Amino acid sequence: KNEVEQSPQNLTAQEGEFITINCSYSVGISALHWLQQHPGGGIVSLFMLSSGKKKHGRLIATINIQEKHSSLHITASHPRDSAVYICAVTPRGYGGSQGNLIFGKGTKLSVKP
Amino acid sequence: DGGITQSPKYLFRKEGQNVTLSCEQNLNHDAMYWYRQDPGQGLRLIYYSQIVNDFQKGDIAEGYSVSREKKESFPLTVTSAQKNPTAFYLCASSFLAASAQYFGPGTRLLVL
Repeated sequence: KNEVEQSPQNLTAQEGEFITINCSYSVGISALHWLQQHPGGGIVSLFMLSSGKKKHGRLIATINIQEKHSSLHITASHPRDSAVYICAVTPRGYGGSQGNLIFGKGTKLSVKP
Repeated sequence: DGGITQSPKYLFRKEGQNVTLSCEQNLNHDAMYWYRQDPGQGLRLIYYSQIVNDFQKGDIAEGYSVSREKKESFPLTVTSAQKNPTAFYLCASSFLAASAQYFGPGTRLLVL
């Protein structure tokens, strides 16, 4: 079983829809990251959070530490949001806090106009 | 502009050849990382470095080597011992080991 699981694997939405991508993890963590990878391959860090909720524009990330679960929400989705969204965790007490990340396999989002 | 650059964007390797992927950052970050991405899999850590002149193996270091002679540079060499090198390679850096990582644009390595 992977230590970081994302769902769904693939998601197709119509422009304007509210989108939710889920991430569950099985290890103790010091932080959770949401990343965005565009078709060209470059990765952008969207959020780094260890508790509660963060908002940036139309993106909202939440985390429930007790349930080991995080969600990424996109409001009023747009075709330019089409990308792969990756959840990653920084394991707690990872042998000296090297900062190593454990990555999920990603959720491929396609927003149709 | 601060950021991470990787070159080349595409790289072709012949059988038995060593190739080196470049990663440079001008963010003044101490920590740097190399990841490999294969279709349908999460990113996997090859090597990381928390400080100049020091680096550690990640989960899939076999067939790869790195150096960290300068703070801003962390080149990755894919040796002939890496039998399945075709993949997308991403370099990242962070201010501290446990802080948010900034990623480069990636290098796609193909075997001829």
